Amino acid sequence: AQRVTQPEKLLSVFKGAPVELKCNYSYSGSPELFWYVQYSRQRLQLLLRHISRESIKGFTADLNKGETSFHLKKPFAQEEDSAMYYCALRHPYGQNFVFGPGTRLSVLP
Amino acid sequence: SQTIHQWPATLVQPVGSPLSLECTVEGTSNPNLYWYRQAAGRGLQLLFYSVGIGQISSEVPQNLSASRPQDRQFILSSKKLLLSDSGFYLCAWSRRPGELFFGEGSRLTVL
Repeated sequence: AQRVTQPEKLLSVFKGAPVELKCNYSYSGSPELFWYVQYSRQRLQLLLRHISRESIKGFTADLNKGETSFHLKKPFAQEEDSAMYYCALRHPYGQNFVFGPGTRLSVLP
Repeated sequence: SQTIHQWPATLVQPVGSPLSLECTVEGTSNPNLYWYRQAAGRGLQLLFYSVGIGQISSEVPQNLSASRPQDRQFILSSKKLLLSDSGFYLCAWSRRPGELFFGEGSRLTVL
């Protein structure tokens, strides 16, 4: 069965410190992986997807098929990065998106 | 450009009353449509998704139902609400294939 885990419910870091939000998945195949973000009083929105191989707002995420992980990283956290982050997967030809439980990132001044 | 509208934004209903949450998408045709429930610590739970008019897939057996009477309209309903139906409901759409675009959500409180 498809499953996404995010071991940390809450992650607090100081401004300027590196941040890594962990995401692991279980899936027998090659899924598409996404990171979604929800800032305070805003709707849930896409941050990045693994097939784009982009850096968005300084964040990157590398798909590690051997470890079935898709951790989100940023070298220097900013206060405006404080938000709820969700990791999600989708079968390349499927319709369902499976989300993890989310990690709340708090960047302290 | 594409937009998604979801209403009402907040709703307070007594136990046993009916429910209707509505979602419409503009600026695209034949989208995939989704209803999720967002709960603290549990992430987003997929409730229903639809790939076309009248085509509804249910992911979780429960007190809710969904309908898609028009191409860009998705409705979440209940005949009799339970206390456990309280939560934050999100509508979303996607292209095939593609990312999800979410509405602003509807907070339902059942008293």
